[in-house]
Amino acid sequence: SQQGEEDPQALSIQEGENATMNCSYKTSINNLQWYRQNSGRGLVHLILIRSNEREKHSGRLRVTLDTSKKSSSLLITASRAADTASYFCATEITGTASKLTFGTGTRLQVTL
Amino acid sequence: DVKVTQSSRYLVKRTGEKVFLECVQDMDHENMFWYRQDPGLGLRLIYFSYDVKMKEKGDIPEGYSVSREKKERFSLILESASTNQTSMYLCASSPIGSGSFYEQYFGPGTRLTVT
Repeated sequence: SQQGEEDPQALSIQEGENATMNCSYKTSINNLQWYRQNSGRGLVHLILIRSNEREKHSGRLRVTLDTSKKSSSLLITASRAADTASYFCATEITGTASKLTFGTGTRLQVTL
Repeated sequence: DVKVTQSSRYLVKRTGEKVFLECVQDMDHENMFWYRQDPGLGLRLIYFSYDVKMKEKGDIPEGYSVSREKKERFSLILESASTNQTSMYLCASSPIGSGSFYEQYFGPGTRLTVT
């Protein structure tokens, strides 16, 4: 079964609204990363949060990590049509240096 | 600007053919990875390499092999392609660092269809 599970599987919002995606995982991690994938393309790294961090910001992105609940959330504020993409969380499991385990992704649609 | 390139964006092969997917990175990264991506299953790791001539199996290595003769190049080989290997294949690279707090850089992907 997947280490990371994103929720919801799909999300549709209007431009200007905030989008929140959640990720749950099962085992102890070194870090958790979020990636974006535009349709049919490769993944692009967005943000990395270490296991000893609780919150991190990058531009319009805010990531939280709760290791006691084994969960993370990605918030995109003031969304734009260009944010339309699939978003994946990826965990580096403790003891598996450099290897990432990806979730199944959240498909975000931002409409004008 | 960092770059990971893959030899083909689209590829159509017949069942039983030997297929080579090539990946090249220009960032002098030690780690390289091959994933396949299927709807509803996310990305699954096939093989990875942490140095020249070194390789380790990922989660789904069956039916695949890899080659890393030079640091910048990592090849995925389908010895005898089958229809269940129709998928999007993604290559990635990352540096080795203390604590492994590094992102992976992805290529654009190769969409392989086996008929």
